Amino acid sequence: SAVISQKPSRDICQRGTSLTIQCQVDSQVTMMFWYRQQPGQSLTLIATANQGSEATYESGFVIDKFPISRPNLTFSTLTVSNLSPEDSSIYLCSVVQTGRDYGYTFGSGTRLTVV
Amino acid sequence: GNSVTQMEGPVTLSEEAFLTINCTYTATGYPSLFWYVQYPGEGLQLLLKATKADDKGSNKGFEATYRKETTSFHLEKGSVQVSDSAVYFCAHDNYGQNFVFGPGTRLSVLP
Repeated sequence: SAVISQKPSRDICQRGTSLTIQCQVDSQVTMMFWYRQQPGQSLTLIATANQGSEATYESGFVIDKFPISRPNLTFSTLTVSNLSPEDSSIYLCSVVQTGRDYGYTFGSGTRLTVV
Repeated sequence: GNSVTQMEGPVTLSEEAFLTINCTYTATGYPSLFWYVQYPGEGLQLLLKATKADDKGSNKGFEATYRKETTSFHLEKGSVQVSDSAVYFCAHDNYGQNFVFGPGTRLSVLP
């Protein structure tokens, strides 16, 4: 099954700054998904990133706050901009595994704390 | 719309106790169903899945059966261990697009 390398694993950032999270997949995938997991909560989909087109954002998430890049079929970045304490969460990237191993495969997550 | 409902946690059990975590879903058609586990400080891992009605997914002593008639996928384990302490998420797919996750159930197993 696909292996996703996500970094950084954690960071502490100042208000007003930005953090860029990277995900590298060891195989080519059409769609990559970015999720937010607020403390003690479930996963909320931020956006779907397709190679060669603009990311599709879910209700409540906008490109200015969460710009996404998808330069090729194995890599994506999510930037969380103009940070505030409310952005403190775990951010996860994922891909859909096809075939026998059908299911979501997740990166290990980025734990962001905004101070 | 599509949704997943799980029993409220936290669930606290003694080692070797029997575990059930209930999960029901609302979806169009016949989705595939999944249980994911998140150990402390880690990302989510696929625990087991079932892709059609009456299928039973199993892994690491955990089992869940796809019940179409009750739209349920309850997670069970006959004898839990301390190492099973984690948050468990029920989920279903959505026409091969993004998955829909339940709120998660935190399990604590005491020695």
